[in-house]
Amino acid sequence: DADVTQTPRNRITKTGKRIMLECSQTKGHDRMYWYRQDPGLGLRLIYYSFDVKDINKGEISDGYSVSRQAQAKFSLSLESAIPNQTALYFCATSDPGQANNEQFFGPGTRLTVL
Amino acid sequence: AQSVTQLGSHVSVSEGALVLLRCNYSSSVPPYLFWYVQYPNQGLQLLLKYTTGATLVKGINGFEAEFKKSETSFHLTKPSAHMSDAAEYFCAVSNSGGSNYKLTFGKGTLLTVNP
Repeated sequence: DADVTQTPRNRITKTGKRIMLECSQTKGHDRMYWYRQDPGLGLRLIYYSFDVKDINKGEISDGYSVSRQAQAKFSLSLESAIPNQTALYFCATSDPGQANNEQFFGPGTRLTVL
Repeated sequence: AQSVTQLGSHVSVSEGALVLLRCNYSSSVPPYLFWYVQYPNQGLQLLLKYTTGATLVKGINGFEAEFKKSETSFHLTKPSAHMSDAAEYFCAVSNSGGSNYKLTFGKGTLLTVNP
Protein backbone atom coordinates (compact mmCIF):
# COMPACT_ATOMS: atom_id res chain seq x y z
CA ASP A 1 0.00 0.00 0.00
CA ALA A 2 1.25 3.48 -0.87
CA ASP A 3 2.30 5.61 2.10
CA VAL A 4 1.45 8.91 0.39
CA THR A 5 -1.54 9.02 -1.93
CA GLN A 6 -2.87 11.78 -4.14
CA THR A 7 -6.23 12.22 -5.78
CA PRO A 8 -7.03 12.70 -8.55
CA ARG A 9 -4.05 11.41 -10.56
CA ASN A 10 -5.08 13.34 -13.63
CA ARG A 11 -7.40 16.29 -14.06
CA ILE A 12 -8.35 18.47 -16.97
CA THR A 13 -10.24 21.64 -16.18
CA LYS A 14 -11.09 25.01 -17.67
CA THR A 15 -9.85 28.48 -16.89
CA GLY A 16 -11.67 30.00 -13.93
CA LYS A 17 -12.74 26.73 -12.32
CA ARG A 18 -12.02 25.90 -8.71
CA ILE A 19 -9.92 22.78 -8.27
CA MET A 20 -8.91 20.82 -5.19
CA LEU A 21 -6.07 18.32 -5.09
CA GLU A 22 -5.97 15.98 -2.13
CA CYS A 23 -3.14 14.26 -0.32
CA SER A 24 -3.31 11.59 2.36
CA GLN A 25 -0.50 9.83 4.19
CA THR A 26 -0.19 6.85 6.47
CA LYS A 27 3.41 7.52 7.51
CA GLY A 28 2.43 9.39 10.66
CA HIS A 29 4.55 12.37 9.69
CA ASP A 30 3.72 15.83 11.00
CA ARG A 31 5.22 17.75 8.10
CA MET A 32 3.54 17.91 4.71
CA TYR A 33 4.41 19.80 1.52
CA TRP A 34 2.98 20.72 -1.85
CA TYR A 35 5.28 21.15 -4.87
CA ARG A 36 4.74 21.77 -8.52
CA GLN A 37 7.00 20.39 -11.23
CA ASP A 38 7.44 22.09 -14.58
CA PRO A 39 9.74 20.82 -17.34
CA GLY A 40 13.21 22.25 -16.94
CA LEU A 41 12.41 23.94 -13.63
CA GLY A 42 12.61 21.07 -11.17
CA LEU A 43 10.31 21.10 -8.14
CA ARG A 44 9.21 24.31 -6.50
CA LEU A 45 7.59 24.57 -3.09
CA ILE A 46 4.05 25.96 -2.97
CA TYR A 47 3.03 25.50 0.68
CA TYR A 48 4.20 23.52 3.66
CA SER A 49 2.69 22.58 7.01
CA PHE A 50 4.45 21.57 10.20
CA ASP A 51 1.23 20.49 11.88
CA VAL A 52 -2.51 21.08 11.64
CA LYS A 53 -2.25 24.64 12.97
CA ASP A 54 1.00 25.63 11.29
CA ILE A 55 0.78 26.40 7.57
CA ASN A 56 3.32 28.42 5.64
CA LYS A 57 3.77 29.82 2.16
CA GLY A 58 6.51 28.49 -0.04
CA GLU A 59 8.26 30.21 -2.91
CA ILE A 60 5.32 30.18 -5.34
CA SER A 61 2.12 30.38 -3.30
CA ASP A 62 0.27 33.03 -5.35
CA GLY A 63 -2.94 31.62 -6.81
CA TYR A 64 -2.99 28.66 -4.42
CA SER A 65 -4.42 27.93 -0.98
CA VAL A 66 -4.19 24.91 1.29
CA SER A 67 -6.05 23.21 4.09
CA ARG A 68 -4.64 20.80 6.66
CA GLN A 69 -7.72 18.89 7.73
CA ALA A 70 -5.86 16.41 9.92
CA GLN A 71 -2.36 15.19 10.49
CA ALA A 72 -2.82 12.80 7.60
CA LYS A 73 -4.55 15.09 5.09
CA PHE A 74 -3.32 18.17 3.24
CA SER A 75 -5.29 19.66 0.35
CA LEU A 76 -4.23 22.15 -2.29
CA SER A 77 -6.80 24.43 -3.93
CA LEU A 78 -6.70 26.57 -7.02
CA GLU A 79 -9.50 29.08 -6.48
CA SER A 80 -9.63 30.17 -10.11
CA ALA A 81 -7.44 28.04 -12.31
CA ILE A 82 -5.38 29.60 -15.10
CA PRO A 83 -3.44 27.90 -17.92
CA ASN A 84 0.00 28.59 -16.44
CA GLN A 85 -0.99 26.43 -13.49
CA THR A 86 -0.83 23.44 -15.80
CA ALA A 87 1.83 21.27 -14.15
CA LEU A 88 2.57 18.09 -12.24
CA TYR A 89 1.79 18.50 -8.55
CA PHE A 90 3.42 16.49 -5.80
CA CYS A 91 2.61 16.08 -2.16
CA ALA A 92 5.38 15.05 0.23
CA THR A 93 5.84 14.30 3.91
CA SER A 94 8.73 14.32 6.35
CA ASP A 95 9.39 13.39 9.95
CA PRO A 96 10.58 16.36 12.04
CA GLY A 97 12.48 13.88 14.19
CA GLN A 98 14.79 13.27 11.24
CA ALA A 99 17.17 16.21 11.04
CA ASN A 100 18.06 15.58 7.43
CA ASN A 101 14.51 16.36 6.24
CA GLU A 102 14.25 13.37 3.91
CA GLN A 103 10.93 13.75 2.15
CA PHE A 104 8.59 11.04 0.88
CA PHE A 105 6.59 11.78 -2.23
CA GLY A 106 3.21 10.83 -3.55
CA PRO A 107 2.69 9.68 -7.15
CA GLY A 108 1.69 13.14 -8.38
CA THR A 109 -1.36 14.78 -9.93
CA ARG A 110 -1.15 15.90 -13.53
CA LEU A 111 -3.29 19.02 -13.90
CA THR A 112 -4.16 20.60 -17.23
CA VAL A 113 -5.94 23.93 -17.34
CA LEU A 114 -7.44 24.78 -20.71
CA ALA B 1 20.33 30.52 1.09
CA GLN B 2 20.91 27.15 -0.45
CA SER B 3 20.89 26.18 -4.10
CA VAL B 4 21.58 23.25 -6.39
CA THR B 5 23.02 23.21 -9.90
CA GLN B 6 22.76 20.13 -12.07
CA LEU B 7 25.09 20.38 -15.03
CA GLY B 8 23.41 19.01 -18.12
CA SER B 9 19.67 18.87 -18.47
CA HIS B 10 19.99 15.81 -20.70
CA VAL B 11 22.61 13.05 -20.59
CA SER B 12 22.70 10.22 -23.09
CA VAL B 13 24.77 7.05 -22.61
CA SER B 14 25.01 3.64 -24.20
CA GLU B 15 23.90 0.56 -22.34
CA GLY B 16 26.86 -0.72 -20.32
CA ALA B 17 28.61 2.67 -20.24
CA LEU B 18 29.44 4.72 -17.18
CA VAL B 19 26.73 7.03 -15.90
CA LEU B 20 27.86 10.35 -14.42
CA LEU B 21 25.31 12.97 -13.38
CA ARG B 22 26.74 16.13 -11.91
CA CYS B 23 25.43 18.08 -8.94
CA ASN B 24 26.93 21.10 -7.22
CA TYR B 25 25.36 22.79 -4.23
CA SER B 26 25.71 25.87 -2.13
CA SER B 27 24.84 25.97 1.54
CA SER B 28 25.93 28.20 4.40
CA VAL B 29 25.77 25.32 6.88
CA PRO B 30 26.66 21.63 6.57
CA PRO B 31 24.35 20.14 3.99
CA TYR B 32 22.29 17.04 3.73
CA LEU B 33 22.26 15.84 0.13
CA PHE B 34 19.87 13.64 -1.80
CA TRP B 35 19.39 12.11 -5.19
CA TYR B 36 15.86 11.30 -6.25
CA VAL B 37 14.80 9.44 -9.38
CA GLN B 38 11.58 9.89 -11.31
CA TYR B 39 10.62 7.15 -13.73
CA PRO B 40 8.12 8.03 -16.47
CA ASN B 41 4.66 8.75 -15.09
CA GLN B 42 5.74 8.10 -11.53
CA GLY B 43 6.55 10.07 -8.40
CA LEU B 44 9.97 10.74 -6.92
CA GLN B 45 11.83 7.89 -5.30
CA LEU B 46 14.84 8.32 -3.06
CA LEU B 47 17.96 6.90 -4.69
CA LEU B 48 20.47 7.73 -1.96
CA LYS B 49 21.32 10.35 0.63
CA TYR B 50 24.29 11.84 2.46
CA THR B 51 23.76 12.95 6.02
CA THR B 52 26.98 12.53 7.99
CA GLY B 53 29.86 10.08 8.13
CA ALA B 54 31.15 8.23 5.09
CA THR B 55 31.35 10.51 2.09
CA LEU B 56 30.83 7.73 -0.45
CA VAL B 57 27.19 6.79 -0.34
CA LYS B 58 25.69 3.72 -1.98
CA GLY B 59 22.09 3.67 -3.10
CA ILE B 60 19.63 1.45 -4.85
CA ASN B 61 20.08 -0.07 -8.30
CA GLY B 62 23.88 0.15 -8.21
CA PHE B 63 24.12 3.93 -7.95
CA GLU B 64 26.53 5.75 -5.69
CA ALA B 65 27.52 9.34 -4.98
CA GLU B 66 30.45 10.99 -3.29
CA PHE B 67 30.18 14.08 -1.11
CA LYS B 68 33.15 16.36 -1.76
CA LYS B 69 33.02 19.32 0.56
CA SER B 70 36.00 21.11 -1.03
CA GLU B 71 34.29 20.96 -4.43
CA THR B 72 30.74 21.44 -3.09
CA SER B 73 29.74 18.51 -5.23
CA PHE B 74 27.64 15.38 -4.94
CA HIS B 75 27.93 13.65 -8.32
CA LEU B 76 25.94 10.49 -9.03
CA THR B 77 27.60 7.54 -10.76
CA LYS B 78 26.85 4.03 -11.91
CA PRO B 79 29.54 1.87 -13.52
CA SER B 80 27.31 0.25 -16.13
CA ALA B 81 24.07 1.74 -17.42
CA HIS B 82 21.01 -0.40 -17.91
CA MET B 83 18.02 0.40 -20.07
CA SER B 84 15.88 0.53 -16.94
CA ASP B 85 17.95 3.47 -15.65
CA ALA B 86 16.30 5.79 -18.16
CA ALA B 87 14.58 8.39 -15.99
CA GLU B 88 14.89 11.92 -14.68
CA TYR B 89 17.23 12.46 -11.76
CA PHE B 90 17.02 15.26 -9.23
CA CYS B 91 19.68 16.39 -6.80
CA ALA B 92 18.42 18.12 -3.66
CA VAL B 93 19.93 19.81 -0.60
CA SER B 94 18.65 20.35 2.89
CA ASN B 95 20.65 21.87 5.70
CA SER B 96 21.38 21.39 9.36
CA GLY B 97 20.43 24.92 10.29
CA GLY B 98 17.17 26.52 11.36
CA SER B 99 15.52 26.20 7.98
CA ASN B 100 16.04 22.46 7.75
CA TYR B 101 12.46 21.94 6.60
CA LYS B 102 13.43 23.25 3.19
CA LEU B 103 14.50 20.84 0.48
CA THR B 104 15.88 22.69 -2.55
CA PHE B 105 15.93 20.80 -5.84
CA GLY B 106 18.03 21.12 -8.91
CA LYS B 107 16.28 21.41 -12.26
CA GLY B 108 16.80 17.76 -13.06
CA THR B 109 18.81 15.69 -15.54
CA LEU B 110 17.06 13.42 -17.99
CA LEU B 111 19.06 10.25 -18.55
CA THR B 112 18.61 8.41 -21.83
CA VAL B 113 20.13 4.96 -22.26
CA ASN B 114 20.72 3.80 -25.82
CA PRO B 115 20.84 0.12 -26.77
